[in-house]
Amino acid sequence: GAVVSQHPSWVICKSGTSVKIECRSLDFQATTMFWYRQFPKQSLMLMATSNEGSKATYEQGVEKDKFLINHASLTLSTLTVTSAHPEDSSFYICSARPPGGGRGRETQYFGPGTRLLVL
Amino acid sequence: AQSVTQLDSHVSVSEGTPVLLRCNYSSSYSPSLFWYVQHPNKGLQLLLKYTSAATLVKGINGFEAEFKKSETSFHLTKPSAHMSDAAEYFCVVSAGGGNKLTFGTGTQLKVEL
Repeated sequence: GAVVSQHPSWVICKSGTSVKIECRSLDFQATTMFWYRQFPKQSLMLMATSNEGSKATYEQGVEKDKFLINHASLTLSTLTVTSAHPEDSSFYICSARPPGGGRGRETQYFGPGTRLLVL
Repeated sequence: AQSVTQLDSHVSVSEGTPVLLRCNYSSSYSPSLFWYVQHPNKGLQLLLKYTSAATLVKGINGFEAEFKKSETSFHLTKPSAHMSDAAEYFCVVSAGGGNKLTFGTGTQLKVEL
């Protein structure tokens, strides 16, 4: 259980184009999903928190107009990198948190990641 | 505020020998603590989690971790390393009932024959 998928697994695009990455929770409903960015040999950096039916909450320093997040349903969140540039090249990982309260509700289940290369 | 420190950026062990990956945390609240593993070019897989129940937590693939409040530690151990354990390991803390996870900088585990 608690499987999260991402699509595509990797993408190459030209500078100036937009790229959409999908994150799906396959066997549970996720009211909250998270988007992270990971640079080579570094830890994960939280970009934004995505809540179903409301606007995403972005971390300080993350451009919301650059990284558009849409949490369309309880099982799908999308990240669109708009007008991509080479410096946007990175490994993007999403996670989803099952609903429910109590301790341990912070547990997040991660997707396999999407590697973006902008030429 | 919460933070987590992974004391070793790289650990190298021989196959069949014990594994110890060290993690210390700081939190203003009673924390939940997690260990995740990441294989190359893959997402993160949850190994185990501590959420205020038993202080010795058993996870998948023979890993376990012990929550020690007096030492603010949550070290990850495994009695006998396997080649397939070679990966990056992240210690993660969550506290205060918030949504966010705070990640350590990771420990690269190398397993040699």
